[in-house]
Amino acid sequence: DAKTTQPNSMESNEEEPVHLPCNHSTISGTDYIHWYRQLPSQGPEYVIHGLTSNVNNRMASLAIAEDRKSSTLILHRATLRDAAVYYCILRDVVQGGSEKLVFGKGTKLTVNP
Amino acid sequence: NAGVMQNPRHLVRRRGQEARLRCSPMKGHSHVYWYRQLPEEGLKFMVYLQKENIIDESGMPKERFSAEFPKEGPSILRIQQVVRGDSAAYFCASSKRGPMNTEAFFGQGTRLTVV
Repeated sequence: DAKTTQPNSMESNEEEPVHLPCNHSTISGTDYIHWYRQLPSQGPEYVIHGLTSNVNNRMASLAIAEDRKSSTLILHRATLRDAAVYYCILRDVVQGGSEKLVFGKGTKLTVNP
Repeated sequence: NAGVMQNPRHLVRRRGQEARLRCSPMKGHSHVYWYRQLPEEGLKFMVYLQKENIIDESGMPKERFSAEFPKEGPSILRIQQVVRGDSAAYFCASSKRGPMNTEAFFGQGTRLTVV
């Protein structure tokens, strides 16, 4: 499985930007970088994904390093509802077509009022 | 368009009983994934199915666990002769196609408690 490394926890203040880092030095050329988050007592929720170029959507931005060995999820203005565990995931393609999401430990984001 | 529906949300079973967890994917989705999450831990992949086919069951225990996704009806995760260690939250996800370049949608989970 392609591995990712994230800090165990981070803190932010409400309405400030948050930069969540992820290292994936063993990424292969065809691996997509996906981010999901899990709010307390809920199922994971898709946030964003990308391959090489930076990506923006209504929830967040994804900045991907030129060598693709790291990426950063950016929440432009954190709210209390953004408090969650954030998972950085590389798609794991097994010969034969399996493309399961492999979750690591993620980063627990705390947002202070 | 309803999201991924899992039922029941909570299930209590005595040791030795069977647990059947159901997952109805989003409309138009033919790919289903099951995950298990132990308390205070991350999600562990169990099995990936397409309609009537198991694609990858590398995360599923060899004994007592089985999964199916029939042509009609929901996907079922079945746990026979449950033990206390099976107590966990079980999440199902679905996607429209192999999710290399698309998002997977997760249900709210079934919380299984074995007493």
